[in-house]
Amino acid sequence: QQQVKQSPQSLIVQKGGISIINCAYENTAFDYFPWYQQFPGKGPALLIAIRPDVSEKKEGRFTISFNKSAKQFSLHIMDSQPGDSATYFCAASIGSGGGADGLTFGKGTHLIIQP
Amino acid sequence: DTAVSQTPKYLVTQMGNDKSIKCEQNLGHDTMYWYKQDSKKFLKIMFSYNNKELIINETVPNRFSPKSPDKAHLNLHINSLELGDSAVYFCASSALSGGQETQYFGPGTRLLVL
Repeated sequence: QQQVKQSPQSLIVQKGGISIINCAYENTAFDYFPWYQQFPGKGPALLIAIRPDVSEKKEGRFTISFNKSAKQFSLHIMDSQPGDSATYFCAASIGSGGGADGLTFGKGTHLIIQP
Repeated sequence: DTAVSQTPKYLVTQMGNDKSIKCEQNLGHDTMYWYKQDSKKFLKIMFSYNNKELIINETVPNRFSPKSPDKAHLNLHINSLELGDSAVYFCASSALSGGQETQYFGPGTRLLVL
């Protein structure tokens, strides 16, 4: 059972464009939704995270939009740059984001920003 | 100044062997984890551990066992390696701060079983 579904699997965006990655979850107990960025040969690194008490969170060029009723959340990368090319994972967890169950990850989106 | 480190970075071994992967964190975190990333890049938690409790994902074979000699280390022992164990294994650690528990990942250990 895949509890966090992520799409698209791969995405190509022109430099300066907006990259959008979507995730949907099934477990209504999830209350912490981070996005991780992974470069080739490296471990995932936290990019931005949101809790369901807000509908949007913005940090620089990165924005999470959250729709609790639809059980969906998305990552928007504004003014996408070649350096943003990486694999992006959405994740979800119960509670603060750690502890017993860890993070449940989506399957990842391979993002390529073309110069 | 590495936060979460793993050794070795690459591990190539024969089927049936027993191997260990070491993980160390210098962040003072209380909780550590092991994740497995398969060839399709799917990340799945295997274990979470703090100094009081080990939580095992029920899908993890008992050939895998975490060992924590102290709070800063969580090593992964794998017995009777199988071809399907080939993957990248990530160690992570976390601590609660500002209401959320950010997990910091190590660089990964690429295991290839022949």
